[in-house]
Amino acid sequence: AQSVSQHNHHVILSEAASLELGCNYSYGGTVNLFWYVQYPGQHLQLLLKYFSGDPLVKGIKGFEAEFIKSKFSFNLRKPSVQWSDTAEYFCAVNARNTDKLIFGTGTRLQVFP
Amino acid sequence: GAGVSQSPRYKVAKRGQDVALRCDPISGHVSLFWYQQALGQGPEFLTYFQNEAQLDKSGLPSDRFFAERPEGSVSTLKIQRTQQEDSAVYLCASSSAGITGELFFGEGSRLTVL
Repeated sequence: AQSVSQHNHHVILSEAASLELGCNYSYGGTVNLFWYVQYPGQHLQLLLKYFSGDPLVKGIKGFEAEFIKSKFSFNLRKPSVQWSDTAEYFCAVNARNTDKLIFGTGTRLQVFP
Repeated sequence: GAGVSQSPRYKVAKRGQDVALRCDPISGHVSLFWYQQALGQGPEFLTYFQNEAQLDKSGLPSDRFFAERPEGSVSTLKIQRTQQEDSAVYLCASSSAGITGELFFGEGSRLTVL
């Protein structure tokens, strides 16, 4: 069965620090990969996605993620975080022959001014 | 509004009661998904509709859970004889193009079973 691991449960950073959130998945076939974000009091929204092509994907608000097939990873990065990036971040995987998104348990990011 | 609308936002039920949760997707979105999110966990897939057809219900945890989308628009998730372990946030999402399209999530219905 597919699964998604997010090893960082809670990350605390100061503004301007660099961010990297880990995501690993287990599935041997072809996958689509996603990062979703949930700001406090708001609904889940798409941050970025990877289907094929360039493994370095750029999303909204300066976020990017790199798909490393050999490591089954899709880590999220941002060079300089802002207080407004405080949110919960979810990695999700979809096996291409299914209609399900499998989510990780999420990483709570707190950014202090 | 232009987003996915869910109601009620909060529901408290006594154990054994039946509940119905409603999802109003974005107009024109053919795909509709239900997810369950327990406290401290990521969303877990429950079921998927394309128009009125329920194409995948493999995530429904028991036969007490039932979902429908009779006219291919509004969907209802019904939970019969609620149990404490049903307490969670139930999320609805819609998409114009199945799983490969961007999923737009509602704010969820928080169910607490006492």
